[in-house]
Amino acid sequence: RKEVEQDPGPFNVPEGATVAFNCTYSNSASQSFFWYRQDCRKEPKLLMSVYSSGNEDGRFTAQLNRASQYISLLIRDSKLSDSATYLCVVNYNNDMRFGAGTRLTVKP
Amino acid sequence: GAVVSQHPSRVICKSGTSVKIECRSLDFQATTMFWYRQFPKQSLMLMATSNEGSKATYEQGVEKDKFLINHASLTLSTLTVTSAHPEDSSFYICSARDQTRTYEQYFGPGTRLTVT
Repeated sequence: RKEVEQDPGPFNVPEGATVAFNCTYSNSASQSFFWYRQDCRKEPKLLMSVYSSGNEDGRFTAQLNRASQYISLLIRDSKLSDSATYLCVVNYNNDMRFGAGTRLTVKP
Repeated sequence: GAVVSQHPSRVICKSGTSVKIECRSLDFQATTMFWYRQFPKQSLMLMATSNEGSKATYEQGVEKDKFLINHASLTLSTLTVTSAHPEDSSFYICSARDQTRTYEQYFGPGTRLTVT
């Protein structure tokens, strides 16, 4: 079993759609969680950290369920510029592990 | 925000030669830097963790004698790919951890290595 698993994708959605990505992790002692965004042939960029209480940043909402070892990212009112690969990242004792990523394409 | 630079951004070299890639944290101190490799349409794979002033910790399957890492200062880590072969062609990305910002990692722009 992979340490961090994500929806395989790709997700192809129209502009304005709401899309959700899921991620599960295997290490129950993991301490912190993040979503990164990676554009084609570019480096990953931090999108948002994920907190136990859930957190929102504009159109993006992240949720964490420690009991189920599950993380989600919800994007509302998707824009063309949201097209990218979204990486789920889990940290344990300063060791960050990346999911394989889920590709999102938002179409006009 | 935290900025990490990498140099060069792109390099083409001949098989058998060595290539050095630099990773710098520009506006923060990074006691820990990470080196990743990414093949097309695949996820980032951690190669090694580099700690300032000590030896790097390599992931299983990564040859430490082939991928030499030096982290001589709090703002600079280097990765040298020795005796490069075509199968080493990949996108190499470094990241640096800002210890003052809840262990978030910031990535450099990556170096695309092509070995001919």
